[in-house]
This record gives sequence, structure tokens and C-alpha cells, in this order.
Amino acid sequence: AQKITQTQPGMFVQEKEAVTLDCTYDTSDPSYGLFWYKQPSSGEMIFLIYQGSYDQQNATEGRYSLNFQKARKSANLVISASQLGDSAMYFCAMRVVGDDKIIFGKGTRLHILP
Amino acid sequence: DTEVTQTPKHLVMGMTNKKSLKCEQHMGHRAMYWYKQKAKKPPELMFVYSYEKLSINESVPSRFSPECPNSSLLNLHLHALQPEDSALYLCASSQDPGDRDRVNQPQHFGDGTRLSIL
Repeated sequence: AQKITQTQPGMFVQEKEAVTLDCTYDTSDPSYGLFWYKQPSSGEMIFLIYQGSYDQQNATEGRYSLNFQKARKSANLVISASQLGDSAMYFCAMRVVGDDKIIFGKGTRLHILP
Repeated sequence: DTEVTQTPKHLVMGMTNKKSLKCEQHMGHRAMYWYKQKAKKPPELMFVYSYEKLSINESVPSRFSPECPNSSLLNLHLHALQPEDSALYLCASSQDPGDRDRVNQPQHFGDGTRLSIL
């Protein structure tokens, strides 16, 4: 069975600092994809970044990067130069080959302080 | 603005009412999803439609009835709901469910409908 674990229920970070949100996963499938979503208080789920299990390089999208350590089964999200608008809930998620579903972690609530 | 449009944004209904939630996407995606999300929790999958056919029903009570009239539209019909059904209902879509080797397809979500049952 697949599982996503996010161990940080909440984080407080000063504006302009870098932030690392932790995510570990468990699957026996060799082919899988990892996703990060942002959910502001308004409710919409915003897709941020994707990492494939066979990708050799860590994914980057603007201020977002994914620190992918396959042997440790971790896929941490790094946000550089945090902004007040980054305050939101962040979900790590996984999809395995042959499955239409994605599995979500419990999420991390990030608060950026001015 | 999201590319998945959900209406209404807010809905208050009594336990005896019948209402419908609507979801529309024009990205050519062939998989569509309904999720229920309670406060401070991750989304819980309810239904998956693949090429307009119901492919997954996560043991959802029959008071929730999904419908996929065409590849762009997804409805969720509500009848005789309970107070515990109050939640944010999210619709999502993704590209090509037929190509199951493609794990790189993110789901694109709408803004959700906040449902309150009185």
C-alpha cells in the first residue's frame, strides 16, 4: 500500500527566509510520481511541482524546488525567499503507475511572518 | 483563475433538499474527480470518471450521485444529506487516464464548493 507522511503539522517562518517542508513516502512500485499542492484559505488546490521516480535531477519551478532523495524515500519541498502569500496549507501527494488515484499526506500549515 | 470551474461557490441546504454541484473543464482532460475535504484535513477521494465512465466509487453513500454528461462536465447530485456532509467539495481533472504509465499527470483542481447542511 502507498503512504505519504508529512510530520510537520504547522510551521512559522520569517518572510524572505527559505522554507523546507518535509515529505516521506512509501511504495513498492518502482514507477511513481510525487506532487506538491498549495491550498490557501480560500480553498483552491494549486499544483506546484512534480518529481518522477526515474528523474535524475531535482525538479524546480521558480521559487519552488523539490529535494528528492530516492533511497530515503523523501521528497521535501523547498521554497526560497518566502513571501507573505506563501502562507497556506501544503500537501505532498503520490501517484503510482496503473492507478488513477493520488494519495495525499495530511498537510503542513505554513505561516509566513512579516 | 483556475481552469476547472465549479459552481456554486457556496451552498446552504436543508437535509430534505435536492441540489447539484457542477464542474466544468475545457482542457481536454479525460479523467475527472470528486473529492470531499473537511477542515484541516486532506481531500478524500469520492468518485473518478475515466472517459465519461465511472471507474472508482470509494464506497460513497448513495445520497451522493455523480454524473458525467460529457467529457467536459461533471455533476454531483445531492439528496437527503446529513450535517456531517458539510465540507468543501473539490472537482479535479487530469489528462489521459488511458495511459496508466504516465504518472506525471497532475490533477488540476477547481476552487471548490463550500457546502453547509442545516
